[in-house]
Amino acid sequence: QLQLQESGPGLVKPSETLSLTCTVSDDSISSNIYYWGWIRQPPEKGLEWIGSIYYSGSTYYNPSLKSRVTISVDTSKNQFSLKLSSVTAADTAVYYCARGVPFSSLDYFDYWGQGTLVTVSS
Amino acid sequence: EIVMTQSPATLSVSPGERATLSCRASQSVTSNLAWYQQKPGQAPRLLIYGASTRATGIPARFSGSGSGTEFTLTISSLQSEDFAVYYCQQYNYWLTFGGGTKVEVK
Repeated sequence: QLQLQESGPGLVKPSETLSLTCTVSDDSISSNIYYWGWIRQPPEKGLEWIGSIYYSGSTYYNPSLKSRVTISVDTSKNQFSLKLSSVTAADTAVYYCARGVPFSSLDYFDYWGQGTLVTVSS
Repeated sequence: EIVMTQSPATLSVSPGERATLSCRASQSVTSNLAWYQQKPGQAPRLLIYGASTRATGIPARFSGSGSGTEFTLTISSLQSEDFAVYYCQQYNYWLTFGGGTKVEVK
């Protein structure tokens, strides 16, 4: 069964860049069907989509975060990555990676990683 | 941005009873709506997509309905494992989630 696993630092200093990687197991990230996305959830709050990427490298980002977000893919490692620059305490959240299923228009998410907490603090 | 508003914020229900959760979009999303269940410390789990299609392995007691701007998730007879937070997500124009409805034991 498909598994996704987030990895990266759990603590990032303000103004620095948050970097996370999602490793996909038991499925090829090069599938020409799916997108691969990042979603975050601040403590005790709701979900916010950050952005998504296709295996070819085509991306689309949440307009509210677009200026600070870069998502990339490494098909040789079956991984995709998130970089969020100029972080503040407001970026403290559990970050999830997930598989996006394009349906009719854009994507819903059918498989999710377990999530990783990233805290922004000096 | 399409704003998704879920109501109520908290729903108190007894086991075995029916639960009805609402999700409203600020503009039409046609049927491009999904529902997720999230338990404490866990990732969200896909329940419904296309407003009314159950995802693989989801019990028949979960059903979704609606189109345009008004959507409903119904749990016909609440089981102990159904007490959780439920989120709707539209994928018609960018991707946005509702604020969630917590279903708690009455």
